Amino acid sequence: QVHLVESGGGLVKPGGSLRLSCEASGFTFNDYYMSWIRQAPGKGLEWVAFISNSIDYANYADSVKGRFTISRDNANNSLYLHMNNLRPEDTAVYYCARDKSYDLYFDYWGQGSLVTVSS
Amino acid sequence: EIVLTQSPGTLSLSPGEAASLSCRASRSVSSNYLAWYQQRPGQAPKLLIYHASSRATGIPDRFSGSGSGTDFTLSISRLEPEDFAVYFCQQYGSSPRTFGQGTKLEIK
Repeated sequence: QVHLVESGGGLVKPGGSLRLSCEASGFTFNDYYMSWIRQAPGKGLEWVAFISNSIDYANYADSVKGRFTISRDNANNSLYLHMNNLRPEDTAVYYCARDKSYDLYFDYWGQGSLVTVSS
Repeated sequence: EIVLTQSPGTLSLSPGEAASLSCRASRSVSSNYLAWYQQRPGQAPKLLIYHASSRATGIPDRFSGSGSGTDFTLSISRLEPEDFAVYFCQQYGSSPRTFGQGTKLEIK
């Protein structure tokens, strides 16, 4: 079955950088768009970024544009989120999720990885 | 962007009762592109409903979605203990995709 496992979260100081990873299994990874979605403590969900299956298109929420970069390695069934210039408001659980198709709903989610930005 | 407002914030019911959760959009959701997710404590969100009324694979038929335009509803006909969780709606009719703030369904 579909399995998504995030890793790489942790505590980082404001202005710092972090890279999240998501390992996918149970489906043909390079057939699907993939997204990152985050959930700040006690808050709702916010879509962060998505990338096309062929890696020729990516899109970002305005709140992270210019600071975060989504990427993927189809040979290794992995999705990444490179986060630079982190701010306290980026503190959240970050989920990777499989897009049903371009800009639609998310049919599978990982368990999430907590990123805490604090001095 | 489309803002989704869910109500109530918290709903207290007993197992066996029926639940009705609301999701209202700030403007019409194109093609009724609205999904519902369930999130149990400490778990990832799980897709329940897409296209406003289509159940995802493996979702029991006690879950149903309805609505169109700006007003959508998730109904649960007979609450089971495992249904007590937080429920989010999400629109994908226009970019960026946005979520509601969630409704917590708790045991009375």
